[in-house]
Amino acid sequence: ETGVTQTPRHLVMGMTNKKSLKCEQHLGHNAMYWYKQSAKKPLELMFVYNFKEQTENNSVPSRFSPECPNSSHLFLHLHTLQPEDSALYLCASSQDFQYREAFFGQGTRLTVV
Amino acid sequence: DQQVKQNSPSLSVQEGRISILNCDYTNSMFDYFLWYKKYPAEGPTFLISISSIKDKNEDGRFTVFLNKSAKHLSLHIVPSQPGDSAVYFCAASGASGTYKYIFGTGTRLKVLA
Repeated sequence: ETGVTQTPRHLVMGMTNKKSLKCEQHLGHNAMYWYKQSAKKPLELMFVYNFKEQTENNSVPSRFSPECPNSSHLFLHLHTLQPEDSALYLCASSQDFQYREAFFGQGTRLTVV
Repeated sequence: DQQVKQNSPSLSVQEGRISILNCDYTNSMFDYFLWYKKYPAEGPTFLISISSIKDKNEDGRFTVFLNKSAKHLSLHIVPSQPGDSAVYFCAASGASGTYKYIFGTGTRLKVLA
């Protein structure tokens, strides 16, 4: 039990599909994050939610749409993705957005075909 | 332009010896540095951190050294164990209270039994 759970672990989707990634944290944290890790690239911050409010959108294309219904759950809705969006998508949480150490989920390996 | 660089993509070390993983950064505003460890098919796990007011932080077998003038930090693992084999990511955040980690590309450590 890592404290941050992501589903699904693997996802293959076509460019016209709509799918959602889910993240749930059991740590009582108030900040949640989406990161993207592409092959041979550093982790890139995509979105930040603090107390359910989006505080950061790091110039992410609109085909990625986050949703944070409460402090424990975070979704990433995907539609009309491109093959170059294939990557490992990691969810993380921290006590609040000023707290230094973030705890990561296991990630969703996304392949867009 | 990468602000956090891990120039060695991989490192092999004999069990029992010291592993030294290096990280360089370019932004002098960074004031907090973290190391994460990542096993295959798992999310990154927080390992150790250091604030810019210190030059060394130790936690068991893991020690992080910070050289601010050289904009360089290193992670020492002594003694190295086969279970330490993983990818190690260096991350930096700048200006107190910010959550924006900038990650390096990672170094794959292999500890040989």
